[in-house]
Amino acid sequence: EAGVTQFPSHSVIEKGQTVTLRCDPISGHDNLYWYRRVMGKEIKFLLHFVKESKQDESGMPNNRFLAERTGGTYSTLKVQPAELEDSGVYFCASRGRDGYEQYFGPGTRLTVT
Amino acid sequence: LAKTTQPISMDSYEGQEVNITCSHNNIATNDYITWYQQFPSQGPRFIIQGYKTKVTNEVASLFIPADRKSSTLSLPRVSLSDTAVYYCLVGEFGHASGGSYIPTFGRGTSLIVHP
Repeated sequence: EAGVTQFPSHSVIEKGQTVTLRCDPISGHDNLYWYRRVMGKEIKFLLHFVKESKQDESGMPNNRFLAERTGGTYSTLKVQPAELEDSGVYFCASRGRDGYEQYFGPGTRLTVT
Repeated sequence: LAKTTQPISMDSYEGQEVNITCSHNNIATNDYITWYQQFPSQGPRFIIQGYKTKVTNEVASLFIPADRKSSTLSLPRVSLSDTAVYYCLVGEFGHASGGSYIPTFGRGTSLIVHP
């Protein structure tokens, strides 16, 4: 069974540019989560999808971040415009409807210069 | 949310047993204790979860005393590949539906296994 995949693995962009991160959850997993860790800090929750609906987006830092999950399959996280403080590793995780374990992807390392 | 406290780092040698203790004094009745492992350049990986007493799987054991205010992750006979960061999480994580629980990751314990 394929795990959670994320693309790209690493992205370097300039301040003010736009970047879109993609997450493909484990097939059939209704729940999809985005997290991020900025340099030297802890892993922080961003938002939670149940299928295509946003269940909880309390962790989204500001309106420069937009997450979508059209069709309830893969998800994208767009940062527009990117700021220096957005640099960090963005993790995606998915969970099955009846399970409690979250399966994490390898993360996307975002560097804003 | 129950706050957890665990050592920042630990060192061990191959073949030894490693015990990492996590304190969670204000754990709630419905809270479960979950441990994750994270290798460099990877996302966290679920290791084990428990509610009380002892839980064992092929990777580790989890010991939880009666008052549940702490828990100990035990890794038997560690190898170099067990070098990782280990996170202790507490919350309503064990319900079948998962509910709206969002895991809160602290700093974790950085375990380094030496040859």
